Amino acid sequence: QVQLVQSGAEVKEPGASVKVSCKASGYTFTTYGISWVRQAPEQGLEWMGWISAYNGDTNYPQKLQGRVTMTTDTSTSTAYMELRSLTSDDTAVYYCARDAGELGANDAFDIWGQGTMVTVSS
Amino acid sequence: DIQMTQSPSSLSASVGDRVTITCRASQSISSYLNWYQQKPGKAPKFLIYAASNLQSGVPSRFSGSGSGTDFTLTISSLQPEDFATYYCQQSYSTPRTFGQGTKVEIK
Repeated sequence: QVQLVQSGAEVKEPGASVKVSCKASGYTFTTYGISWVRQAPEQGLEWMGWISAYNGDTNYPQKLQGRVTMTTDTSTSTAYMELRSLTSDDTAVYYCARDAGELGANDAFDIWGQGTMVTVSS
Repeated sequence: DIQMTQSPSSLSASVGDRVTITCRASQSISSYLNWYQQKPGKAPKFLIYAASNLQSGVPSRFSGSGSGTDFTLTISSLQPEDFATYYCQQSYSTPRTFGQGTKVEIK
């Protein structure tokens, strides 16, 4: 079946970086894109950006520009999200979600990973 | 950025009730509006796309409507498994943005 399986929980110190993986199966990876969404404890959902698994194009919100990098490895159908210069405000569950292969209007996040808890604490 | 505002933030309802959740965009987003359901400790689940189209496998008691800036999600007869938090999300422009969520609780 179509699924996204994410890497395990992480604990990082302030100032460090974290890299979360998201392995896709059950569909043609390069036909779609991957968006990343995070959710701080007891908070709502925040979109962190999108990457095309076809050509590696990315789109990041201005708030995270320069601090986030999304990549893919098509040989293993895996997407990665790296976030640098972590602060306590980055403590959240990080989700990957299948998205459109080209970022246009009317796309949606139809398949979600199980989530990865990232805790930033000294 | 397009701001998405949901109302109410929470509601209490009984099994069998008709429930309506509203989502308002800060500017017109045509019909580029999606809905998700999230249960505690779980990933969101995709329910409705393009304002009114039910995702495959989603029960027909869920429906969506609206265009422009005002949208609604309706559950025609609330079931025990529907108690959750619901989020709207616009796909009109980047950055993609979500509403703050509406928690549907048991009365």
